[in-house]
Amino acid sequence: QKEVEQNSGPLSVPEGAIASLNCTYSDRGSQSFFWYRQYSGKSPELIMFIYSNGDKEDGRFTAQLNKASQYVSLLIRDSQPSDSATYLCAVPRRGGNTGKLIFGQGTTLQVKP
Amino acid sequence: NAGVMQNPRHLVRRRGQEARLRCSPMKGHSHVYWYRQLPEEGLKFMVYLQKENIIDESGMPKERFSAEFPKEGPSILRIQQVVRGDSAAYFCASSLGNNQPQHFGDGTRLSIL
Repeated sequence: QKEVEQNSGPLSVPEGAIASLNCTYSDRGSQSFFWYRQYSGKSPELIMFIYSNGDKEDGRFTAQLNKASQYVSLLIRDSQPSDSATYLCAVPRRGGNTGKLIFGQGTTLQVKP
Repeated sequence: NAGVMQNPRHLVRRRGQEARLRCSPMKGHSHVYWYRQLPEEGLKFMVYLQKENIIDESGMPKERFSAEFPKEGPSILRIQQVVRGDSAAYFCASSLGNNQPQHFGDGTRLSIL
């Protein structure tokens, strides 16, 4: 089982719809979770992070964390063509003094006008 | 620019040469991380450094690769005797502390002829 898993997609949604991106993780003790957006040929850009169970909202983005089920989701409301990118879920590796982020393979989102 | 600075943006080397990649963290950040992204693959952790110390190098290949973060100046990722398989995008990230959000630089695209 991979430590962090995402459906690679592509996930295709029409402009204005809600895009829902999911991520599962294997370490039940994980405490923090990060979502990055990566446009083709560019670097990852941090868009959300969440530490507690429940929802965290920032503009059109909502991160949802369910520790019991070991999944974290990213919702993008009113999707725009400019949201078309790969979304990476990342979870810090626990134990020792490592700062290592474990990344999922990423989900490619396509927002169609 | 207060962001993570990496240079060069693109680097071309012939097999057997040395590649030297530089990273200056975001202002106020003392934690630096290097990641590698191979074509069509996910981001993989390489090494985590603080000033003058390597904290976690569990993702570094055992041979040819080394990293440093001296008291003065940028962090350096050095690849000796490069081979075709070293062709990848190398990203540097920095954070305020361990388990804090990591912010990425624009990366160095390394091509080996």
